Amino acid sequence: QSVLTQPPSVSAAPGQKVTISCSGSSSNIGNNYVSWYQQLPGTAPKLLIYDNNKRPSGIPDRFSGSKSGTSATLGITGLQTGDEADYYCGTWDSSLSAVIFGGGTKLTVL
Amino acid sequence: EVQLVESGGGLVQPGRSLRLSCAASGFTFDDYAMHWVRQAPGKGLEWVSGISWNSGSAGYADSVKGRFTISRDNAKKSLYLQMNSLRAEDTALYFCAKDIGYEARNYFDSWGQGILVTVSS
Repeated sequence: QSVLTQPPSVSAAPGQKVTISCSGSSSNIGNNYVSWYQQLPGTAPKLLIYDNNKRPSGIPDRFSGSKSGTSATLGITGLQTGDEADYYCGTWDSSLSAVIFGGGTKLTVL
Repeated sequence: EVQLVESGGGLVQPGRSLRLSCAASGFTFDDYAMHWVRQAPGKGLEWVSGISWNSGSAGYADSVKGRFTISRDNAKKSLYLQMNSLRAEDTALYFCAKDIGYEARNYFDSWGQGILVTVSS
């Protein structure tokens, strides 16, 4: 069981918007920055968001991140079938002195 | 183009050792911290270990602390993971990952394709 809690799955239609939540505690999200990764089937993860809301170069602005208290949210607008993937949140846990990830959320674009 | 290529995986018996390597190219290797992240079959991501640009600091997940050792050779542009006392629960795809900073910022902006480690008798 992961320290960070994500919904196992979310779904939405093409062109729509979806949000994925990531819930933690004061030892992790509450006092540290959050990142988000996309893992397409059979491939390595890809960094989408870091420092809560920054996008690496090449990541479209359809992807956004936010944080409030001990929770973080990934938003994806203008959904495309190519966005179907597993999405993971990650952060540092000050109590564990380790990087931790959420359990992952499978996005289905109907 | 950043390239990270893992090697050294395979089938190993419980209690035995294995050493993973990651060959880096396409960037200035000694400018960045590096990490190992693993993914058990059908499961999520688990950070294993990270090391700063000059090997001055390293960290480990509790699940591998005392059994695994991370190291790097900047002259060879290579990252290593020495895995001792392997257990069945160490079975996973092991990814080498590049940090965005020289000290661990703990954001992984480039990943290898992964190497499979299977621990079984």
